[in-house]
Amino acid sequence: QVQLQESGPGLVKPSETLSLICTVSGASMKRWHWTWIRQPPGNTLEWIGYISDNGTTEYNASLKSRVTISVDTPKNYFSLRLSSVTSADTAVYYCARMQGDSFHIWGQGTRVTVSP
Amino acid sequence: DIVMTQTPLSLSVTPGQPASISCKSSQSLLHSDGKTFLYWYFQKPGQSPQLLFYELSARLPGVPDRFSVGGSETDFTLEISRVEAEDIGLYYCMQGLHLPYTFGQGTRLEIK
Repeated sequence: QVQLQESGPGLVKPSETLSLICTVSGASMKRWHWTWIRQPPGNTLEWIGYISDNGTTEYNASLKSRVTISVDTPKNYFSLRLSSVTSADTAVYYCARMQGDSFHIWGQGTRVTVSP
Repeated sequence: DIVMTQTPLSLSVTPGQPASISCKSSQSLLHSDGKTFLYWYFQKPGQSPQLLFYELSARLPGVPDRFSVGGSETDFTLEISRVEAEDIGLYYCMQGLHLPYTFGQGTRLEIK
């Protein structure tokens, strides 16, 4: 059974870089696309970007200048870096495995707060 | 970006009664290949979202038959024939036709 687990700091200072890792267990990362989605408090879901198993990426244009998603397929994880964070980046961050254009398997989410 | 608009934003339903959620997209989600790139997700309180239906009407294994979906192009619905306590939470529609993927605001279903 495929499982995804997000990890990383729960508190990030304004202007710094948010870094999260999604560890994949139970299956190979090959032949799948992997994605990050976030949910600010009281708000809807926002797609951040995805990466294929060969490293091809697509990002939400609203975040593109600040986002980097990378993958380490042999080590079964992919990561998210979001630079120059502000309070607007406070959210629960989810990683997920894509199937087609949908998000079929999700991690449990990790809460990140941007605060001095 | 394609804007997804859900109504209502909240719904309070007596167990055993039906519920209906509307989702409208700012552009047609019908692709030239005949597929409609509309998805429905459900988020139980305190949990991550889970996919219920993909490409308009393909049901994920384990989704109860009391859930049904319909619609076309820009207007879509999710219906629950008889609401149960386990159905409480947030329901989201999402479009997958054009990047960025975008979600509706969510509809919160509560039990009366």
